[in-house]
Amino acid sequence: AQTVTQSQPEMSVQEAETVTLSCTYDTSESDYYLFWYKQPPSRQMILVIRQEAYKQQNATENRFSVNFQKAAKSFSLKISDSQLGDAAMYFCAYRSLQGAQKLVFGQGTRLTINP
Amino acid sequence: DTAVSQTPKYLVTQMGNDKSIKCEQNLGHDTMYWYKQDSKKFLKIMFSYNNKELIINETVPNRFSPKSPDKAHLNLHINSLELGDSAVYFCASRRGVDWQYTEAFFGQGTRLTVV
Repeated sequence: AQTVTQSQPEMSVQEAETVTLSCTYDTSESDYYLFWYKQPPSRQMILVIRQEAYKQQNATENRFSVNFQKAAKSFSLKISDSQLGDAAMYFCAYRSLQGAQKLVFGQGTRLTINP
Repeated sequence: DTAVSQTPKYLVTQMGNDKSIKCEQNLGHDTMYWYKQDSKKFLKIMFSYNNKELIINETVPNRFSPKSPDKAHLNLHINSLELGDSAVYFCASRRGVDWQYTEAFFGQGTRLTVV
């Protein structure tokens, strides 16, 4: 079974600075999807960015980018120019391309933005 | 229009009661999921249906019973509620298991409090 580990329960960053959230996972599959979801206090789960394992190029979405290291099974999220609205819980998630394709989530990292 | 909607958003009930949470998606998706987020914010799959057929049933107590009257709806019924059932329950949908490269859309979550 796949597992996802986020080793940073909490992180904080000064507004306008850059922060990196860590995620590692374990799988025996060669093709899969990885995601970062944001959960603000509103509770809504918002997709931030996704990465297909077969793509070597790291995904980027505006101020959000990932560092995908397939051999190391690492998938970190970098947030540049942090904004107050980025404050939230961030979840790393794995999805197999087989079977029911459920999401397997990490424990989450609570990100605080200091003004 | 809300893509995935859950009702109610908040539910407070006494131990031993039976309650239901409803979920509807208007995206035309074939696959729907229920996830549970516990007090430590950990998210875990509970059930998944594809075209009204159960495809995932994780180790969830029998008191939890999903029902899918049609592929746009996946309701969660909980019998004999216990204090430990207090959590946030998320419904999600995806286009279908045959569409591997699509993302999941989440509802707003239902915060269930058992007193």
